[in-house]
Amino acid sequence: ETGVTQSPTHLIKTRGQQVTLRCSSQSGHNTVSWYQQALGQGPQFIFQYYREEENGRGNFPPRFSGLQFPNYSSELNVNALELDDSALYLCASSRPGTAYNEQFFGPGTRLTVL
Amino acid sequence: AQRVTQPEKLLSVFKGAPVELKCNYSYSGSPELFWYVQYSRQRLQLLLRHISRESIKGFTADLNKGETSFHLKKPFAQEEDSAMYYCALSDNTDKLIFGTGTRLQVFP
Repeated sequence: ETGVTQSPTHLIKTRGQQVTLRCSSQSGHNTVSWYQQALGQGPQFIFQYYREEENGRGNFPPRFSGLQFPNYSSELNVNALELDDSALYLCASSRPGTAYNEQFFGPGTRLTVL
Repeated sequence: AQRVTQPEKLLSVFKGAPVELKCNYSYSGSPELFWYVQYSRQRLQLLLRHISRESIKGFTADLNKGETSFHLKKPFAQEEDSAMYYCALSDNTDKLIFGTGTRLQVFP
């Protein structure tokens, strides 16, 4: 069974640029959630995708958008980057209907905005 | 508003000492509560959840609805317990609301 993978590992961008982060869900999982973890904070829910549709969104502006593909992998896109977007971005996959819907996290992508 | 509070950023104990990591929550309903752990250079992973009432690696956590708490306890800490611990709440969807985390340091 393959775990959740994310790419790239690290990324440096400048203010105003756009970025795309990628996530491959664990085998058999059809739900992907994205979290932002700023330094010294816990992960904050951005949004979730279930069967290619957005299925819940946290308190993030529309410049944070996402996609899920038929193979359940997912992308997080952030437009017009701001300095405060610097954070670790975590992807987690799960399979609704299983006990407690346990989420399995990837290693994260560290984004630095200069 | 839904919120999870972990009042301690750092908890330091000696090996063999009891450990209690505090977690309080705010939620109008019946939440599911979890503890996630992140060991050094590893990814965030589930430690335990209140529904299963299980003990994992010697850790237990009891949901106290009256005090809206879900403290994590272990009677005898081990050096390998050193890690970052996050308490999290789910509103019965897959969305998790995390606390700010507590770093547990266990000294030999």
